[in-house]
Amino acid sequence: GNSVTQMEGPVTLSEEAFLTINCTYTATGYPSLFWYVQYPGEGLQLLLKATKADDKGSNKGFEATYRKETTSFHLEKGSVQVSDSAVYFCALIRNSGNTPLVFGKGTRLSVIA
Amino acid sequence: GAGVSQSPSNKVTEKGKDVELRCDPISGHTALYWYRQSLGQGLEFLIYFQGNSAPDKSGLPSDRFSAERTGGSVSTLTIQRTQQEDSAVYLCASSLERGVLYEQYFGPGTRLTVT
Repeated sequence: GNSVTQMEGPVTLSEEAFLTINCTYTATGYPSLFWYVQYPGEGLQLLLKATKADDKGSNKGFEATYRKETTSFHLEKGSVQVSDSAVYFCALIRNSGNTPLVFGKGTRLSVIA
Repeated sequence: GAGVSQSPSNKVTEKGKDVELRCDPISGHTALYWYRQSLGQGLEFLIYFQGNSAPDKSGLPSDRFSAERTGGSVSTLTIQRTQQEDSAVYLCASSLERGVLYEQYFGPGTRLTVT
């Protein structure tokens, strides 16, 4: 079946630190990969996505590269800000068929000034 | 423009009672999804609508859960004879069409607490 495993949190960083949140997946076929973010008190928002191997998704200083050989889609940011404090979800969707998003369990990030 | 809205935002109910959760998708979006976010389980898919039909109900956890969509718009998720393990945040999402090319936009969720 399809599944997503991401590092458990919470993750606490100081402002301007480097962020990595690991995400690996298991899927039949070749999925599209996503990172969603949930800011406090808000709904889930798409942060970035990649639809095929070696694609890099980027947004708001965050990046993730679709690595087929390691079945990974790690989220990175070079310098985090307090405003990045949120819960981050890695997700996949199969590129064929009517399948829903499959999410990881989420990683809570807290950035302190 | 208006995003996905859900009501109520919070619902507290007694074990054994029925509850209805409502989702108003973005106007013109044909695909609608229900997910559940619970502690320790992350986000789980429940059911998906394309128009008014539900081709994928595979995520509904038991026959106490049902959903309908009318007029290709509003959807209602009904939980009968609620149990404490039903306590979770229920999220609705909609997309212009089904498929990976179309982003799913999420509502703020309904937090359900079963006492």
